Amino acid sequence: AQSVTQLDSHVSVSEGTPVLLRCNYSSSYSPSLFWYVQHPNKGLQLLLKYTSAATLVKGINGFEAEFKKSETSFHLTKPSAHMSDAAEYFCVVSVIYQGGKLIFGQGTELSVKP
Amino acid sequence: EAGVTQFPSHSVIEKGQTVTLRCDPISGHDNLYWYRRVMGKEIKFLLHFVKESKQDESGMPNNRFLAERTGGTYSTLKVQPAELEDSGVYFCASSQDRAGPYQETQYFGPGTRLLVL
Repeated sequence: AQSVTQLDSHVSVSEGTPVLLRCNYSSSYSPSLFWYVQHPNKGLQLLLKYTSAATLVKGINGFEAEFKKSETSFHLTKPSAHMSDAAEYFCVVSVIYQGGKLIFGQGTELSVKP
Repeated sequence: EAGVTQFPSHSVIEKGQTVTLRCDPISGHDNLYWYRRVMGKEIKFLLHFVKESKQDESGMPNNRFLAERTGGTYSTLKVQPAELEDSGVYFCASSQDRAGPYQETQYFGPGTRLLVL
């Protein structure tokens, strides 16, 4: 069975400081991994995805994530937080043989203080 | 290019009533997915269409939920009769099928917020 665990339900940072949102996954097969973001009253937007190419993936708005198979992790980072980054972030896994079905983590709410 | 659209954005109904949610995927996307987020829980898969065919409906909670995708274009999700536990946000997503569905990006709509009283 596949699963995703986001280790923090809420993260609070100050503007200009680094962001780290943690994600661990479990999968019997090589997964595709995604980070999505949801701003209030908006739909889910793709930040970045890993699909078995480079293990360090760069996304939009300065975010990046590193796939570490040995640690089964896919943590999301950003060097410097901006107020507009405040949103809910979802780590997601899609597994071959599952037809593209996405399995979501519980979500991490990111707050950015001025 | 228009994104995934969903209608209505909000719906408030009483227990026992019927509600129909609609999703219009991105034009040309054969894959269409429905997901749901119940308050306090993670977003969960409901079902997957490939064109007009149901590929996987393993996430449908029970037979009060009926999904259709007419002519492989828009999709509807009907809840009849609605129960209190059906309240939540219903998301629709669509994707192409070039690299295999498990690698394709799914594009999400804004969701329909359903409240059953």
